[in-house]
Amino acid sequence: EAGVAQSPRYKIIEKRQSVAFWCNPISGHATLYWYQQILGQGPKLLIQFQNNGVVDDSQLPKDRFSAERLKGVDSTLKIQPAKLEDSAVYLCASSLIFPAAGGSQFFGPGTRLTVL
Amino acid sequence: AQKVTQAQTEISVVEKEDVTLDCVYETRDTTYYLFWYKQPPSGELVFLIRRNSFDEQNEISGRYSWNFQKSTSSFNFTITASQVVDSAVYFCALSEAEIGSGGSNYKLTFGKGTLLTVNP
Repeated sequence: EAGVAQSPRYKIIEKRQSVAFWCNPISGHATLYWYQQILGQGPKLLIQFQNNGVVDDSQLPKDRFSAERLKGVDSTLKIQPAKLEDSAVYLCASSLIFPAAGGSQFFGPGTRLTVL
Repeated sequence: AQKVTQAQTEISVVEKEDVTLDCVYETRDTTYYLFWYKQPPSGELVFLIRRNSFDEQNEISGRYSWNFQKSTSSFNFTITASQVVDSAVYFCALSEAEIGSGGSNYKLTFGKGTLLTVNP
C-alpha cells in the first residue's frame, strides 16, 4: 500500500515570495492533516480536513496561509507572502475517518522550507 | 488542555545498551489515545504504537516495549539491546476526541521529542 506522498521535498524561497505544497493521502483515508514542524520541536497542527471540509483550522495563520482539498483527496497548502519564521518542515498526514481508528495518523516525508 | 512532556531532550547510549524514553501526559478526558512516533534523519514520522486509555496492558514488539501507567500519567518506551539504526528523534503524542459538527476530531498533541543517539 502506498504511503502519504508529498512534493516538493525541499524548497528555498526569499521572504515575501509565495510557495505551495502538495499532498496525496493514503487511499481511502478521508481525514487529512497539515502540520508545521519547526526545528527542535514537535509537529504543530495547522489544519485538518475531513473529506473536503475543514474540521479544525484554529492554528492556521489565515492572513498568509491557505489550504484546500477540493475533491476530498489531494490537498495543497499555500503560504503568501512567506516570512522568515515560516522556515520549517511541513508534514502531511492522513487517517481513517472512523473513531475506532483512534486517530492513528500516517505521515508523509515532509517538505523542508527555507525562507531567506 | 492536553499536554505531553518529554523531559529528556537528548540521550546517548552505546550499542546493545537498553534505553528508556519517558513520556508524561496531561488530560481531563477519560477516553484518549497515546502514540509513539519515530523520526529518523530522513524526516518522515514513522508510527510505532497506539494505546487507548482503557488498555493498560504493557506491550512488547521485538526489541520495543511500552509501559502505560494511568496512575502516574506515563507512557514510557524502552528499546532493548539498542542498535545504531535506532538513532532518531522519538515523539510521544496524545489524542483526545473533540466532538463537533463535523464529526469526531482526533487532534494529536506532540511532545518536543527525545533525540536518541546510539553509538557503535
